[in-house]
Amino acid sequence: KNEVEQSPQNLTAQEGEFITINCSYSVGISALHWLQQHPGGGIVSLFMLSSGKKKHGRLIATINIQEKHSSLHITASHPRDSAVYICAGSNYGGSQGNLIFGKGTKLSVKP
Amino acid sequence: DVKVTQSSRYLVKRTGEKVFLECVQDMDHENMFWYRQDPGLGLRLIYFSYDVKMKEKGDIPEGYSVSREKKERFSLILESASTNQTSMYLCASSYGGELFFGEGSRLTVL
Repeated sequence: KNEVEQSPQNLTAQEGEFITINCSYSVGISALHWLQQHPGGGIVSLFMLSSGKKKHGRLIATINIQEKHSSLHITASHPRDSAVYICAGSNYGGSQGNLIFGKGTKLSVKP
Repeated sequence: DVKVTQSSRYLVKRTGEKVFLECVQDMDHENMFWYRQDPGLGLRLIYFSYDVKMKEKGDIPEGYSVSREKKERFSLILESASTNQTSMYLCASSYGGELFFGEGSRLTVL
């Protein structure tokens, strides 16, 4: 069974801190997505990656295929980064775009 | 920019009512999805569609049906709403494996 596990479940940081959220996934997942959901808002796709590393502004996502592990890093965190971050795996052997979601990490950045 | 629009942000319905949740995307995507999101359970797939008039069950289809008469529109139908269907409902479309979500519809069934 395909699974995606995220940690930590909750994370509180001070403004300016470097933040890491981790995601482990099972066999059969071929690409990893990182999503962001603000309170009361919709979900925004941050990254989709199947190898290596991607960077967008202060956000960096990495994936280690051998270890089946991905991380989302936020440098110089800011209160506006407070959101739920969701890791999701897709299995292109099955339904394209049909994702298996982690339970999310609730990040709170204090000023 | 891709836009996925859900018809209602907040709805309050009574048990037994028929509920329609509408979703429209403007990028000619073939794939569309309906999810529900509940605390502690994360996002769960209800139904998805690969093309007009096509539909496939997701992980939790019971109590729901869908309609895709036009490529841009994917509707979720609760034939007879129940209190355990109180949830946040999220529509998404996808292209090249990347998902684009709507703002969500928070449904309360009394």
